[in-house]
Order: sequence, then C-alpha cells, then structure tokens
Amino acid sequence: DAMVIQNPRYQVTQFGKPVTLSCSQTLNHNVMYWYQQKSSQAPKLLFHYYDKDFNNEADTPDNFQSRRPNTSFCFLDIRSPGLGDAAMYLCATSRESGSSYEQYFGPGTRLTVT
Amino acid sequence: GQNIDQPTEMTATEGAIVQINCTYQTSGFNGLFWYQQHAGEAPTFLSYNVLDGLEEKGRFSSFLSRSKGYSYLLLKELQMKDSASYLCAALDSNYQLIWGAGTKLIIKP
Repeated sequence: DAMVIQNPRYQVTQFGKPVTLSCSQTLNHNVMYWYQQKSSQAPKLLFHYYDKDFNNEADTPDNFQSRRPNTSFCFLDIRSPGLGDAAMYLCATSRESGSSYEQYFGPGTRLTVT
Repeated sequence: GQNIDQPTEMTATEGAIVQINCTYQTSGFNGLFWYQQHAGEAPTFLSYNVLDGLEEKGRFSSFLSRSKGYSYLLLKELQMKDSASYLCAALDSNYQLIWGAGTKLIIKP
C-alpha cells in the first residue's frame, strides 16, 4: 500500500542534543510537509518542499532544519532541542502545491526532550 | 489575520447525531477540509468542500457556506470509535492550509 512512513515513532533526546526525524513516502507526491503539533493545538507548519524547492515558514526557528535528498525522503533536524520542542512531529505529502489536493499524513514521531 | 474557530470539546451519545461547527477568516479561500485525529495518531482526511452546499459521505456529511465563512461536519449514528478530535482547515489564497485547534468529540454509551 502506498503510504507515508515516519521513523522513529517515539524519540527521546536530551536537552541540546541534536536529533533527526525521518519521513519517507511511496506515493510519489511532489510536495512534502513538516508540521509540529502540541497537545490540543492545531498543527503548525514548519516548512514544505515542492520537489526540491524549499519553503520555510517565517516563524520557524533556525533551530529547525530540513533536507530532502530525493522525492521519497525528507528529514527534520533539530539542532539543539529545548524543552519547548517536545511535541508530535507530523510529515505529510500532497500531489501538487497550489492545489486543493488533500494532504496524506504519516503516523507522526512523538519527541520527548529530557 | 487568518483564523479558524471551532469548539474545543463536544459530548454526544452513541447512536445520536452531532454537528461540529467551524468558522473561518482567511486571505482568499480555496476550499475547506475536515480531518479526523485519534489521540496520539496522525490526522486522516474526511472531506473537502469548495462549493456551497452539503457533501454526504456515508455517516459523515460536510457543509460549506462561503458567504458566511462557515462550515460544519455532521456525524450520524455515532459509534464509540468516532471519539476523536475533528480538525477544520481552510486553504488560503496561497494554497496554505490554515488549521483550527480541533474539536474533541467524546462519545458516551
């Protein structure tokens, strides 16, 4: 089945220790998104890629970086995690940018910062 | 500014009908999505409306009024598995999704 996969599902890191979250997709979608979602809050878009074209949201902290080496994979790097970065991180894909196509979400990675 | 409003929490009884409302204010509008999110899981797509009116899909229906900036999600014949958060999200003029914080629906036997 075509899908969006995120690894790991649960990640524990120490304050200030870099961490990388990964996302892969078998849908062959052009657009990939990274969202941060805290409990009972709306998903917050961090950045998105249209193919290799990177789009950073204005209020995404510099502490968050992303890489998309090919169509299938996308990574979220948190360079120095703080306690406030503990959240669910959701990867999503869609067929096209600038369209009404729905976004398909991976299962998410729950990040704990100790 | 851009804003999505929906109730924080609703309670309903198994077998009943519930309507979850959403109002939106966005810079331009290219449609409205409803997603279901179970606790600790990712959102899953329920519906998309871009034209005024009601779209029915099994036990779930979604309504849109563009002139009023208003949508609702109607759930019929509620089942315990429908306990989840329901997120409303509007596509703005840049085709960016503006998300609501979600409505937590609690189903009681």
